[in-house]
Amino acid sequence: GENVEQHPSTLSVQEGDSAVIKCTYSDSASNYFPWYKQELGKRPQLIIDIRSNVGEKKDQRIAVTLNKTAKHFSLHITETQPEDSAVYFCAASIDRDDKIIFGKGTRLHILP
Amino acid sequence: NAGVTQTPKFQVLKTGQSMTLQCAQDMNHEYMSWYRQDPGMGLRLIHYSVGAGITDQGEVPNGYNVSRSTTEDFPLRLLSAAPSQTSVYFCASSYGGSREQYFGPGTRLTVT
Repeated sequence: GENVEQHPSTLSVQEGDSAVIKCTYSDSASNYFPWYKQELGKRPQLIIDIRSNVGEKKDQRIAVTLNKTAKHFSLHITETQPEDSAVYFCAASIDRDDKIIFGKGTRLHILP
Repeated sequence: NAGVTQTPKFQVLKTGQSMTLQCAQDMNHEYMSWYRQDPGMGLRLIHYSVGAGITDQGEVPNGYNVSRSTTEDFPLRLLSAAPSQTSVYFCASSYGGSREQYFGPGTRLTVT
């Protein structure tokens, strides 16, 4: 079955700097790659997603890139702000299978 | 819309007891799933359903049962609780075309 690896497990960046979180997946048939943000004590919420027919997608300060050949995808957050402090999860899914498998998460700390 | 609701919010069980975690959604979503969240382990898929009458196993199904008799409800049953099942449990639902998962508020379960 699908396996998703996520790195790093913890990331600290200075406010205003950029943060990058990387994920790899095992099943080449996966074609949907969402990213979720979970603030302390709250439920995960979708922040951005990308499908396999697209190499990059941006939404304001957040971007996701996908390299299908290497089976990895990354989340980029620019001009980080205190409210970006949270746990971020990547995930992968094969449409025909419908289940969504998550990575273990990255705890992002934004330092003042 | 209430979205995805889960009951109870907190539960303490003794080893060997059984119980059902309730999950309901009022968005007419076809897809529903159960995850458990443990420190450092991310969100692990327990069971999922692509529609009423259809369920399938996820990554960690042992010790849990599910059924999907209606589109709205997807209860998770713990047959004989074990301390290893101490966790936060999240239910999620999504519409097939979107794939965005809407998570419930979670149930914090402690097994002593």
